[in-house]
Amino acid sequence: NAGVTQTPKFQVLKTGQSMTLQCAQDMNHEYMSWYRQDPGMGLRLIHYSVGAGITDQGEVPNGYNVSRSTTEDFPLRLLSAAPSQTSVYFCASSYSNPSGGRDTQYFGPGTRLTVL
Amino acid sequence: RKEVEQDPGPFNVPEGATVAFNCTYSNSASQSFFWYRQDCRKEPKLLMSVYSSGNEDGRFTAQLNRASQYISLLIRDSKLSDSATYLCAVNIRTGSARQLTFGSGTQLTVLP
Repeated sequence: NAGVTQTPKFQVLKTGQSMTLQCAQDMNHEYMSWYRQDPGMGLRLIHYSVGAGITDQGEVPNGYNVSRSTTEDFPLRLLSAAPSQTSVYFCASSYSNPSGGRDTQYFGPGTRLTVL
Repeated sequence: RKEVEQDPGPFNVPEGATVAFNCTYSNSASQSFFWYRQDCRKEPKLLMSVYSSGNEDGRFTAQLNRASQYISLLIRDSKLSDSATYLCAVNIRTGSARQLTFGSGTQLTVLP
């Protein structure tokens, strides 16, 4: 199993550009989520999905869109990049909501995004 | 006030030392608690869950104090390989469901 994969590893954007961060998992996990990690702020939940066709907002959803057309893929779209979106983005997956404590959440290796 | 708070450190300890980290949470209704480990520029990985009665995994001991609303992680006989950032996570209601909320992490460096 490849686990959770993310592409690209690094990205530089100009303000106003749009792009999609890719996330895929091959563990047949229903629950997937996107976090951003900033210095001194910890991991913050952007969006999550409990299964194909179902998505919901997390703590910091503004400026981001997600879709879940398949169990495997959960792309994150930046609609119009802003410098405040400079961050490290992690995708994660688990069989069920990891906050319940029954299933381990696995993270991808991250995408380091800089918006100029 | 942040919902989950940690002392950012850094904690610099000699090899073989015992070190403890605390993490406080603001929501008394939180039900699940975890410690994650994150190596430099890598993804977080689950270290251990924290159970009400406390739990141990080798050199690592996790404890929960519901009355004071904090969890702790104790590392005995520190190894160089324990150097990492330790993140606590607590389940807190966000929108329509409970989600994991992470602290900002405590940085540990074990020195030879």
